[in-house]
Order: sequence, then structure tokens, then C-alpha cells
Amino acid sequence: ETGVTQSPTHLIKTRGQQVTLRCSSQSGHNTVSWYQQALGQGPQFIFQYYREEENGRGNFPPRFSGLQFPNYSSELNVNALELDDSALYLCASSLFEGLTKNIQYFGAGTRLSVL
Amino acid sequence: AQKITQTQPGMFVQEKEAVTLDCTYDTSDPSYGLFWYKQPSSGEMIFLIYQGSYDQQNATEGRYSLNFQKARKSANLVISASQLGDSAMYFCAMREAYSSASKIIFGSGTRLSIRP
Repeated sequence: ETGVTQSPTHLIKTRGQQVTLRCSSQSGHNTVSWYQQALGQGPQFIFQYYREEENGRGNFPPRFSGLQFPNYSSELNVNALELDDSALYLCASSLFEGLTKNIQYFGAGTRLSVL
Repeated sequence: AQKITQTQPGMFVQEKEAVTLDCTYDTSDPSYGLFWYKQPSSGEMIFLIYQGSYDQQNATEGRYSLNFQKARKSANLVISASQLGDSAMYFCAMREAYSSASKIIFGSGTRLSIRP
């Protein structure tokens, strides 16, 4: 196991609602990244947090937002849910090891269904 | 533009045989890292192996090795002596040194099924 925990494991929401997903990083890691994985596809980068600040963002609208706390745990918030937001949301933590290495360790994900 | 291509959507292999999963990539950044992850049906992405673009030798981790051919921009994963527990989705991924946020780009994956 990686030591990265995500909650909840499953979630059902209706269109237009808001959702908060949580992630606890592996001990000693200071960076958290969030990914969206639609069924049958590879994960897509949403954003990354380093020392409580957003450190880059993928092609996701502003209704996807996040937070990182002093203990390096993190939240992903999604407002105004759409049907296409149904996916597995993966959190990954890492410790900076250089510009390219920076191995990310993933949690088991939260499966979000939007009805 | 940063891109990862995995052309094998699915593979079937007999237990104890070796298997090669293909991955090609595209980048204009001279410095980058390549990763392979395994995703069982439980959903968790498990890190397997890393190769840096300037590494002189191919990476190895136990039964996993990475066949890195820089000129061809390929980074194939080789699993020796496959086991039933190797059945899973496998993703190739890349990070460019100078991309924003050092994000990882994933391929579409290969589903590996090991036959007893």
C-alpha cells in the first residue's frame, strides 16, 4: 500500500450539486496531484498543490478547485456537477526528487457518479 | 506536444511467459521522465518503474524492465515470468522537465490478461 488514502470510496450526486473529495498524503510527501479517470481511459491531470499553493493546472474549468492543508492533505471540490464529471478521481502524493523523477504514489480513488 | 501512445488495447499471455507492453512518446523537451503504472480492478495506480531521459542504462525493478530506445522514442515495459496477479491495466506515462506543474501525461493503457 502507498499510504495515500482517499474518501469517500464511492459517491452519488445529482447534476448541479457540489462535491468535496478528500485525500491524505503519504507521510513525508509535500505535493499532491489530482487526476480524473473516465471509464476506459487514462488519468487526466486536474491540478497539483505544493506547499498549500496550486502549482499548475490541466484543462479543467474553474468549477474544479482544490485546497492543500498544512499537514499536506488535500481536497478536490467540484461545483455545478455535470453528467460528464462521472469518473474515478485519483489523488497522488509525491516528494520532489528533481524535475522529471518526482514519483507519484496514488490512492485507490473516489468513484463519482453524477445522475 | 507531449503525447503517449499505447497501441495494444488488450493482450493475453500464458502464465510464466514474458510479455512486452508497447509505449511510444512524443516530446520536444530534452529532459523528461517515463513511468509505468499498473492499475488492478480495485482502481489504485501502482508505480512500477521509472526511466529518466538521460539515464544510460535501462531501468529494472525485479521482474519489470524498461526497454528504452531514445532515438525511436519508445519505452516498452517487459514483464518476465508473468504471474496471474499481473492481470491488470498498464499505463505508460511521461513528465517533461519544463512543463507546467510537472504534470504526468498518461497513455490510454493496455489491459493484460494472464492465462493459467
